Amino acid sequence: QQPVQSPQAVILREGEDAVINCSSSKALYSVHWYRQKHGEAPVFLMILLKGGEQKGHEKISASFNEKKQQSSLYLTASQLSYSGTYFCGTETNNNDMRFGAGTRLTVKP
Amino acid sequence: DAMVIQNPRYQVTQFGKPVTLSCSQTLNHNVMYWYQQKSSQAPKLLFHYYDKDFNNEADTPDNFQSRRPNTSFCFLDIRSPGLGDAAMYLCATSSDKSYEQYFGPGTRLTVT
Repeated sequence: QQPVQSPQAVILREGEDAVINCSSSKALYSVHWYRQKHGEAPVFLMILLKGGEQKGHEKISASFNEKKQQSSLYLTASQLSYSGTYFCGTETNNNDMRFGAGTRLTVKP
Repeated sequence: DAMVIQNPRYQVTQFGKPVTLSCSQTLNHNVMYWYQQKSSQAPKLLFHYYDKDFNNEADTPDNFQSRRPNTSFCFLDIRSPGLGDAAMYLCATSSDKSYEQYFGPGTRLTVT
């Protein structure tokens, strides 16, 4: 079953912050975050394993609430290069990757 | 550079004519995945190999088959392509289950 992502789209000005949410009805083993630019392959951002951890990557960080089966991706002080579609991918113990429908992020000057 | 390579980048086939897409990797990763991505949609996992163990997703049509003759190569065979199979096909690898996945550039399949 596909995880639910929100919002579907967001438009930011450079320097603004954004949060993208991902939730699942299943007990998750891991949550992945990827960014895909138009016409390109998805690029890995980070992975969070069950245990409720939070990870950071430059100005992009994420959290995973195991009890709620929810993950959030935090983009701070956005840059033009952050534009793209963000996908969360979730796995249960069966290594069954399911991607959410994606969040289209546009950062304007 | 170590990478995931897909050939061809663009493939045009006729309705019902078998087609094979290939993926190779120099990362020596144990796990290889095939995804189908249609326009403005999320990638959909078709199947994956963990070493030689093949794992088919329950909703992957029988029309789609895969082969992994060795660690480096993996093939996607579409036995009788239909118009609905037109999509981008992405190959990805990871060193182990639930590790980060490295995606190839994809093969865009057109069915005429």
